[in-house]
Amino acid sequence: LAKTTQPISMDSYEGQEVNITCSHNNIATNDYITWYQQFPSQGPRFIIQGYKTKVTNEVASLFIPADRKSSTLSLPRVSLSDTAVYYCLVGGGYNKLIFGAGTRLAVHP
Amino acid sequence: DSGVTQTPKHLITATGQRVTLRCSPRSGDLSVYWYQQSLDQGLQFLIQYYNGEERAKGNILERFSAQQFPDLHSELNLSSLELGDSALYFCASSAATLNTEAFFGQGTRLTVV
Repeated sequence: LAKTTQPISMDSYEGQEVNITCSHNNIATNDYITWYQQFPSQGPRFIIQGYKTKVTNEVASLFIPADRKSSTLSLPRVSLSDTAVYYCLVGGGYNKLIFGAGTRLAVHP
Repeated sequence: DSGVTQTPKHLITATGQRVTLRCSPRSGDLSVYWYQQSLDQGLQFLIQYYNGEERAKGNILERFSAQQFPDLHSELNLSSLELGDSALYFCASSAATLNTEAFFGQGTRLTVV
């Protein structure tokens, strides 16, 4: 499984766009990139998944450059309720869903 | 609601005891994963089952065991409990196809006293 590196923490303010970058230099050809969000004492929640280029859904966008060695989760116009831990996972097939330390995002008024 | 049901929600037990945590996956999901999350810690992958068979094993202690039954529900058995086993235990499920999203239950909070 490809190892991932992401910032330990980030701070933002309400209404701003937040970009969280994840490095995964050893990503394999058949690996997908998946992001999860976790609130305290709750199970993680799937946000978005992609393989290459750009993916957008109703809550976020995922940007993946051509070499796929990194990815950026973009959260538009964050609110206080976006304060959570965000995890970047890389894997393929029936993977083990290994979670790293994640990025603690704090959104301030 | 993720569709994954974990019971019980809370469990308080004494050291040395044995407990069983139960997980019902989403309808149709064949894969079940178990995780342990201690206070302010990350999610530690324990074990994965696919259609009744063990698929992958993580940092699961020998005192812990799990199984997935023919109806696809899964149980995590924790024995000879220690204070350090106090944690949130999450179950997740995913469909059989590749690279699908996983859905997590609300967890079972285990407190060992």
